[in-house]
Amino acid sequence: DARVTQTPRHKVTEMGQEVTMRCQPILGHNTVFWYRQTMMQGLELLAYFRNRAPLDDSGMPKDRFSAEMPDATLATLKIQPSEPRDSAVYFCASGLVVLQRTFFYEQYFGPGTRLTVT
Amino acid sequence: AQKITQTQPGMFVQEKEAVTLDCTYDTSDPSYGLFWYKQPSSGEMIFLIYQGSYDQQNATEGRYSLNFQKARKSANLVISASQLGDSAMYFCAMREETSGSRLTFGEGTQLTVNP
Repeated sequence: DARVTQTPRHKVTEMGQEVTMRCQPILGHNTVFWYRQTMMQGLELLAYFRNRAPLDDSGMPKDRFSAEMPDATLATLKIQPSEPRDSAVYFCASGLVVLQRTFFYEQYFGPGTRLTVT
Repeated sequence: AQKITQTQPGMFVQEKEAVTLDCTYDTSDPSYGLFWYKQPSSGEMIFLIYQGSYDQQNATEGRYSLNFQKARKSANLVISASQLGDSAMYFCAMREETSGSRLTFGEGTQLTVNP
């Protein structure tokens, strides 16, 4: 049963500290997404990658957030320095985009990382 | 402007009854896809059903069906024979041709199924 995995599941940190969240997409998937969910803003797309190349990171605060895919099995989202307003659940999702079905492809979500910045 | 609008913050339904969760969308793209996701209290996002803008028939997946009214720009989710396990937050989402792979989500509807 292939799943997207995310670590850590929970993270509590102090303001100013660096936070790194990791995601292992489903093997064979070529598209990876990072979302943030808060009560106020709902679900927001932060960034996504296709074949490890960043395609869109317009939803991400550039001054403190960075997203990378060092290899096909690992995506990272880093916040440095973290702030209390970054407290949220961060979801990673992956999907397989093929030419014939560019609209429909299911995004499989990971369990999320619940980040609390104090 | 909101691209996805879910006007029902909360809905209640009796077990075994059907329930409709509303979703309206706003796009000028001729090609787009509409999705529904379920988020139980455990937090994971579960894909339920998809409707393409050019699909002639309404999508169905088991107890889930999508009432797609293109002219009205609505894509309501119908859950038949509700079960206690259906209690969750439900999100409508859209992918537009011009937005690449970006999925835009609505604010969600919290469904509670009563025994």
